Amino acid sequence: ETGVTQTPRHLVMGMTNKKSLKCEQHLGHNAMYWYKQSAKKPLELMFVYSLEERVENNSVPSRFSPECPNSSHLFLHLHTLQPEDSALYLCASSQDVVNVLTFGAGSRLTVL
Amino acid sequence: DAKTTQPPSMDCAEGRAANLPCNHSTISGNEYVYWYRQIHSQGPQYIIHGLKNNETNEMASLIITEDRKSSTLILPHATLRDTAVYYCIVRGWSQGGSEKLVFGKGTKLTVNP
Repeated sequence: ETGVTQTPRHLVMGMTNKKSLKCEQHLGHNAMYWYKQSAKKPLELMFVYSLEERVENNSVPSRFSPECPNSSHLFLHLHTLQPEDSALYLCASSQDVVNVLTFGAGSRLTVL
Repeated sequence: DAKTTQPPSMDCAEGRAANLPCNHSTISGNEYVYWYRQIHSQGPQYIIHGLKNNETNEMASLIITEDRKSSTLILPHATLRDTAVYYCIVRGWSQGGSEKLVFGKGTKLTVNP
C-alpha cells in the first residue's frame, strides 16, 4: 500500500457507457496526476493538478474529463470511449509539482 | 519524447549486484536524473534521484558520470523481488510550469535464482 488508492482496480465498459475512476491519497500531498499506460507503450502524462487547479492537460481527448474536488481526491470521468482507450490508468501524487511521485496501483480499463 | 536511452532487457543472478545503465547525453545543467521501477501489475515506485553527485539510499546507489551524460543504477544484492521494469528519467518542465516526468520504455530486469 503506497498511500495512493485507486478504485476500481478493474473496469469493463461499453463505448456508450459513462464511468469514473477514483483516486485518493492519504499522504497530505498537494499535487495529483493521471497517467495512461497502454500495452507496450511508455507511460503518458494526461493531467496534472496542483492545489486543486489543473496545470497540465497533455492534449487529452475530451472524452476524458478530470475532476479534483479537493487535494486528496482525483477523478477521471469517462464517456463514449473507444476500444483503443483500453489501458492501465495510473494516479500519482506529490508534495508540490517538483517532487517525487507516489503512484497508486492503477485501474485496468477495458473498453468493448 | 524520453530524453534517455536504456537497454531493453538485462539479466542478473540472485544475490549479485545489478548494474543498470542509462544514457542522457542531452541533459541540461539543472535537470535531475530519476529512477523508478514498475513491478508487474503495479504502479511505478520511486527508487532514487540525483543531480551530479553519487547518491545512495536503502534501495540502491546512483552513479552519475562527471559530464552527467550517463548514469548507472546499482542494486547491490539483487533479489527475485527486484524483477521489474526500471525507468531512468530526466526531469523536465512543461510549458505550464509543472514538472514533467517523461517515461521511456525502460529496462526489463530479470533476477534469476
